[in-house]
Amino acid sequence: AQTVTQSQPEMSVQEAETVTLSCTYDTSENNYYLFWYKQPPSRQMILVIRQEAYKQQNATENRFSVNFQKAAKSFSLKISDSQLGDTAMYFCAFNYGGSQGNLIFGKGTKLSVKP
Amino acid sequence: DTGVSQNPRHKITKRGQNVTFRCDPISEHNRLYWYRQTLGQGPEFLTYFQNEAQLEKSRLLSDRFSAERPKGSFSTLEIQRTEQGDSAMYLCASSLFMALAETQYFGPGTRLLVL
Repeated sequence: AQTVTQSQPEMSVQEAETVTLSCTYDTSENNYYLFWYKQPPSRQMILVIRQEAYKQQNATENRFSVNFQKAAKSFSLKISDSQLGDTAMYFCAFNYGGSQGNLIFGKGTKLSVKP
Repeated sequence: DTGVSQNPRHKITKRGQNVTFRCDPISEHNRLYWYRQTLGQGPEFLTYFQNEAQLEKSRLLSDRFSAERPKGSFSTLEIQRTEQGDSAMYLCASSLFMALAETQYFGPGTRLLVL
């Protein structure tokens, strides 16, 4: 069965510091897509970053970057220069694309950015 | 672009009652997904539509659940004979699927409490 594991239920970081959230997943397929979503308190989920498994280059979006290790099935999220607005639940997810667009999510990591 | 909207935002019902939720996707998005999120968990896939066709249903979607997307626009999710275990956040997401990849945009969710 496909699974996503986020081993850190909660993390905290000081404002302006860097934090890394870990994610591992299990699939026997070779082609898939990986995502990090952010869910702020009482607000809707938004996409932070996306990675295609066929691309070796790690995705980057401003202060957010990923470390994608396909052989290890690892997909960690690095947040640089953390801001108070980064406080949220972060969910790692993947899908296979095409007709299998449904996302498979981990349990999430609650990140608190402290002033 | 007004984003994905869901109504109602909150619903309290008594066990055994029927409830219906509505999702309005981003206009021109051809795919619409329903997920369920319980406390402390990541969202779990329920079902999805491409235009008006319901293409996949999760085993989580028991026969008490039914979803429709008439005319490929808004969608409704109905739960009949609600049970306390149905208490959860019901999330809707939409996407513009053109090839393999897509980005799902989530609505704010409908929080259901079954007493």
